Amino acid sequence: AQSVTQLGSHVSVSEGALVLLRCNYSSSVPPYLFWYVQYPNQGLQLLLKYTSAATLVKGINGFEAEFKKSETSFHLTKPSAHMSDAAEYFCAVSAGAGGTSYGKLTFGQGTILTVHP
Amino acid sequence: DARVTQTPRHKVTEMGQEVTMRCQPILGHNTVFWYRQTMMQGLELLAYFRNRAPLDDSGMPKDRFSAEMPDATLATLKIQPSEPRDSAVYFCASGGRNYEQYFGPGTRLTVT
Repeated sequence: AQSVTQLGSHVSVSEGALVLLRCNYSSSVPPYLFWYVQYPNQGLQLLLKYTSAATLVKGINGFEAEFKKSETSFHLTKPSAHMSDAAEYFCAVSAGAGGTSYGKLTFGQGTILTVHP
Repeated sequence: DARVTQTPRHKVTEMGQEVTMRCQPILGHNTVFWYRQTMMQGLELLAYFRNRAPLDDSGMPKDRFSAEMPDATLATLKIQPSEPRDSAVYFCASGGRNYEQYFGPGTRLTVT
């Protein structure tokens, strides 16, 4: 079974500051990991994904995430926040083709990012 | 640019009426997912399909909800009869090669 914990339901940063959104996962099989972003009144948009290749994954809009197996973490970072980054961010884990959960994603509860001028 | 499309984008209906939501997955994707999002419950998986066959619909109230894939280009979610507690945003997503999911823009349902 898979689970995801996002630490902090709300994160607030100043424009230009480092963004760090935390995600820890639990998985009984080698995981596939994802970050999604949701802007108000829109669907979820894929930011980046880890699929067992490079542990440092770069995504859209300057975001990146590092897979750390020993820490079961997949934290999302961006060196310099922009006002347009304000949104809700979701971490998700998949078991891939494992068992009856083919392709199913387990989502975290989401972290709302606020960016102050 | 391949996208998941959903219709209608907004639906307001009265309690007891039937609601049908439609989704066109990305061409070539063989998994389709239906989610519901509310402020209270967050994102909930209702049902999903692989190669048009239902894999899991345990997240769906069986007495009033039904999900089908009549063909590879159309997935439907029906609610009959609708109730005010069904008010939510319903998302469809289709699955890519590395198990990533691509979400549609959603159908915002209001049941009065």
